Amino acid sequence: GIQVEQSPPDLILQEGANSTLRCNFSDSVNNLQWFHQNPWGQLINLFYIPSGTKQNGRLSATTVATERYSLLYISSSQTTDSGVYFCAVKGNTGKLIFGQGTTLQVKP
Amino acid sequence: DAGVTQSPTHLIKTRGQQVTLRCSPKSGHDTVSWYQQALGQGPQFIFQYYEEEERQRGNFPDRFSGHQFPNYSSELNVNALLLGDSALYLCASSLLGHNEQFFGPGTRLTVL
Repeated sequence: GIQVEQSPPDLILQEGANSTLRCNFSDSVNNLQWFHQNPWGQLINLFYIPSGTKQNGRLSATTVATERYSLLYISSSQTTDSGVYFCAVKGNTGKLIFGQGTTLQVKP
Repeated sequence: DAGVTQSPTHLIKTRGQQVTLRCSPKSGHDTVSWYQQALGQGPQFIFQYYEEEERQRGNFPDRFSGHQFPNYSSELNVNALLLGDSALYLCASSLLGHNEQFFGPGTRLTVL
């Protein structure tokens, strides 16, 4: 099955800093989503981005499907950005496969 | 527009018992998927229901079963609970033919 690797596993930032999270996947996909999981476990949809670039406020994402990776950019980070960020992909099987996540801590 | 809802929020059971978790999909969605998330891990796909039938299944034993009702809501049943079944159980809904999935707040199951 498809393998999904996220890096870095952990990231600590000072408030106001920028960061880039990476997601590599091992096969072609027809769905890629980025999620933010808050401390209570809720998965919040950030982007549905099987290819191309999207922006939403301080967050943006780029997926290069031909090279099998996606990047999530967080600019001017805030303490409320803390949590775990997951990349998830879906291939031909239809199952959504998650990476192990990047745990982000933003310090005031 | 109501999002995905799950009940209960927390549940404590003992080994060998059975549990039923419930999910109502986002308004307009017809497909429900269930995931198990162990502590410190990413969610793992259990199965997916569409038109009241199991359409896809992940690598989970038969102790895990489900059901989808005509109103698209769904239940996840786990029999003969093991300590290792302790996890956050997440339900996601989508519209068949559309890839984006939306998740509920989860049910945290503790097996003692």
